[in-house]
Amino acid sequence: DADVTQTPRNRITKTGKRIMLECSQTKGHDRMYWYRQDPGLGLRLIYYSFDVKDINKGEISDGYSVSRQAQAKFSLSLESAIPNQTALYFCATSGTGRSGANVLTFGAGSRLTVL
Amino acid sequence: AQSVTQLGSHVSVSEGALVLLRCNYSSSVPPYLFWYVQYPNQGLQLLLKYTSAATLVKGINGFEAEFKKSETSFHLTKPSAHMSDAAEYFCAVRQTGANNLFFGTGTRLTVIP
Repeated sequence: DADVTQTPRNRITKTGKRIMLECSQTKGHDRMYWYRQDPGLGLRLIYYSFDVKDINKGEISDGYSVSRQAQAKFSLSLESAIPNQTALYFCATSGTGRSGANVLTFGAGSRLTVL
Repeated sequence: AQSVTQLGSHVSVSEGALVLLRCNYSSSVPPYLFWYVQYPNQGLQLLLKYTSAATLVKGINGFEAEFKKSETSFHLTKPSAHMSDAAEYFCAVRQTGANNLFFGTGTRLTVIP
């Protein structure tokens, strides 16, 4: 089984629908992240969480919300999806400490298309 | 503000040729620097990282990168390209004391048989 599992892997939805992307990890890491990837723009951070009670906005949090249900679970929601949220979304985790904090372990990605 | 610039969104090399992917960072203080690779339909995985120890960093699959403070660069190289190296490569930076990684826009490497 993968260390970081994202569901669904692919989703097509319509404008205005609510969408949830889920992420679970077996790394035992405290830190979890959601990124979106767009062609030519690289990866941009949406939200991150350093423990169950900690939620922080990233570069592009508008239109998104997150929930850290447990150490191993971090979900991303789009309350009312719009077409420019069509992208590839990645969940990632990292450990703590000087070296552990730097290395991200990524899931395989969730491709979202908003029509 | 910290950022990274990857010169060239697409690079093509012949199999067996030198691979050179460029990354420059903007920071007044040397940051932590990383290269990640993304194979088709997969997430990113760490190739190598610079954390202020040796300036020449060796990574997986024969890749290495050299930190050059005077040039604010962290270019990725491999002496001889293999077909399996075809992927997208991302440079990333994290400033000391900062919480997050900032990624470059990526360079797609094509290896020609």
